[in-house]
Amino acid sequence: AQKITQTQPGMFVQEKEAVTLDCTYDTSDPSYGLFWYKQPSSGEMIFLIYQGSYDQQNATEGRYSLNFQKARKSANLVISASQLGDSAMYFCAMREVGFGNEKLTFGTGTRLTIIP
Amino acid sequence: DTGVSQDPRHKITKRGQNVTFRCDPISEHNRLYWYRQTLGQGPEFLTYFQNEAQLEKSRLLSDRFSAERPKGSFSTLEIQRTEQGDSAMYLCASSLGPRGYTFGSGTRLTVV
Repeated sequence: AQKITQTQPGMFVQEKEAVTLDCTYDTSDPSYGLFWYKQPSSGEMIFLIYQGSYDQQNATEGRYSLNFQKARKSANLVISASQLGDSAMYFCAMREVGFGNEKLTFGTGTRLTIIP
Repeated sequence: DTGVSQDPRHKITKRGQNVTFRCDPISEHNRLYWYRQTLGQGPEFLTYFQNEAQLEKSRLLSDRFSAERPKGSFSTLEIQRTEQGDSAMYLCASSLGPRGYTFGSGTRLTVV
């Protein structure tokens, strides 16, 4: 069974500093995808970044990068130069890629607070 | 295209009443998903449609829950005889393939 673990319930970071949000996963399927979503207090889930299990390079999207360590089964999100607007819940999720495996399995999230 | 739309944004209902939520996916997306998110948790998968066919259902989807996607366009999620434990955020998402999940803003249900 798929499992996503986020061990940091909450983090406080000074504005303009970089922050790393941890995510480890467990799967026996060799083909899978890893996602990070941001959920502000308004409730919508905002897609940040995606990493496929066979991607050779770590994914980057603007200030977001994914530190993918396949052997350790970790997919940490790095946010560079944090901004006040980054304060939100952050969820790591995984999808096993294959026919019939369409669902995302989410972790319990990390609440990030950026301090001015 | 304005993304995935969900209606209503908020719903307060009395225990025992039926409620129905609507989701309008991104028009070219053939896959549609429903998730439920309770306080302090990540979203949990409920059900998945490819076009109009409901291909996967979680055991979380009890017989009081039913979802439809007529003609492969919008989808509805109905909860019959609501219980206080049904209070949650109900999220809809759509995609074209395995990478492009887009979520709506959700419907927050409160059962009193």
